[in-house]
Amino acid sequence: GESVGLHLPTLSVQEGDNSIINCAYSNSASDYFIWYKQESGKGPQFIIDIRSNMDKRQGQRVTVLLNKTVKHLSLQIAATQPGDSAVYFCAEGGDGSARQLTFGSGTQLTVLP
Amino acid sequence: DVKVTQSSRYLVKRTGEKVFLECVQDMDHENMFWYRQDPGLGLRLIYFSYDVKMKEKGDIPEGYSVSREKKERFSLILESASTNQTSMYLCASKAGGSVFQPQHFGDGTRLSIL
Repeated sequence: GESVGLHLPTLSVQEGDNSIINCAYSNSASDYFIWYKQESGKGPQFIIDIRSNMDKRQGQRVTVLLNKTVKHLSLQIAATQPGDSAVYFCAEGGDGSARQLTFGSGTQLTVLP
Repeated sequence: DVKVTQSSRYLVKRTGEKVFLECVQDMDHENMFWYRQDPGLGLRLIYFSYDVKMKEKGDIPEGYSVSREKKERFSLILESASTNQTSMYLCASKAGGSVFQPQHFGDGTRLSIL
């Protein structure tokens, strides 16, 4: 899940298992959500997005689930691979501040051999 | 694919210097952004621009200014660098026309102010 502390939440999974990364967003007016992946030394990379008129969207090995009732977003990664090790964070937007996003602080995913 | 290029990966400057960080995107995007990223604080928006010569303050504009003279280029300026501006700086761009478009990021400039 998300944290405002100095230490990122961590998630360790075995290679081949499925990963679920969670995000609690803050603004009930947000209607657009994005997941990013950030590898060490690189900038955030777009993974998948979802609009508030949907509750599920699938990409290649990834699925995003949106629960607007409890303001919760999750990213599921199927058959997790070593290359999936990174920090994952969510972003929310579209609440009228159309050009701006609010970012969570992220979760560190480590894939164990 | 969208390509956002930041001119320097690492930069070391001294307190009081004027520092320029450059960002170029190749997708003709209308919107461009500057963030700083610090441990535990996530990405914080410094400034953004939705058109050439247009700019708007983000959440933490103090001590910074920006310039957008051409559509593809967005510069961040630290007028008089201070040690608390040591950080990772990230540039992003986004297509206009729809709010439902992701921002695309460069690989960042790690700036150290001594």
